[in-house]
Amino acid sequence: GQNIDQPTEMTATEGAIVQINCTYQTSGFNGLFWYQQHAGEAPTFLSYNVLDGLEEKGRFSSFLSRSKGYSYLLLKELQMKDSASYLCAVMDSNYQLIWGAGTKLIIKP
Amino acid sequence: IAGITQAPTSQILAAGRRMTLRCTQDMRHNAMYWYRQDLGLGLRLIHYSNTAGTTGKGEVPDGYSVSRANTDDFPLTLASAVPSQTSVYFCASSDSGTPGDIQYFGAGTRLSVL
Repeated sequence: GQNIDQPTEMTATEGAIVQINCTYQTSGFNGLFWYQQHAGEAPTFLSYNVLDGLEEKGRFSSFLSRSKGYSYLLLKELQMKDSASYLCAVMDSNYQLIWGAGTKLIIKP
Repeated sequence: IAGITQAPTSQILAAGRRMTLRCTQDMRHNAMYWYRQDLGLGLRLIHYSNTAGTTGKGEVPDGYSVSRANTDDFPLTLASAVPSQTSVYFCASSDSGTPGDIQYFGAGTRLSVL
C-alpha cells in the first residue's frame, strides 16, 4: 500500500528553527510537495522536490532523498504566523497526490 | 481574481438527502480534483478530471459522483448522504495534472450529515 508518515504535532519557539520530517512509500514517484494549511483554511503550496537535494526559498527549505524515501521541511526564524499544519504529499505513478495526515506546528513566544 | 470558488461554505444535511457541492475556477486549468479531509487523516481524493468531458475515480469515490461539462465547473454530488460523509471537502485545480504541477485549493465546504 501507499503510505506517507509525518509527526502529528511539533512545538517550537519563535525565532528558532524547526525541521518537519516526512517518509513515504508509494507506487512510483513523480515528486514531493509541501503545503501549509492554517486552521480552517485551504492548503497552500510551499515547495516541490523531484531531485535529491535541498531547495531553498526564503525562510523555508525542503530536502529530498529518493533512495531513503525521505524529505524534510526546514523553517528558519520562526514567526507566530508559521503556526499551521504542514502537509507532505507525493505524486505517484498515476500522477495523483498521496497525502500525509499533516504535522501541526505550534509556535510559542 | 477569485481562483477557485466553492459553495456553500458550510451545510448541515439530513441523512438521505441529495446535495451538490459547487466548484468553479477562473484559471483555465485543465485538471480539477475533489478531496475530503478528516481529522487525523490526509486529504483523500474522491474524483478527478484531467480535462473537460472526462472524469476519474480517486481513492474514496463511493457515494459521490462528478461531472465536467466545461473547463471551469466541477460539481460534486452526494446522491443520498450518510453520516460518514461528514467532512471538509476541498476542490482543487492544476494546469495539467502532470509532474510538478501545483494544485490550488478552494476554501472548502464543511458538511455535516445528521
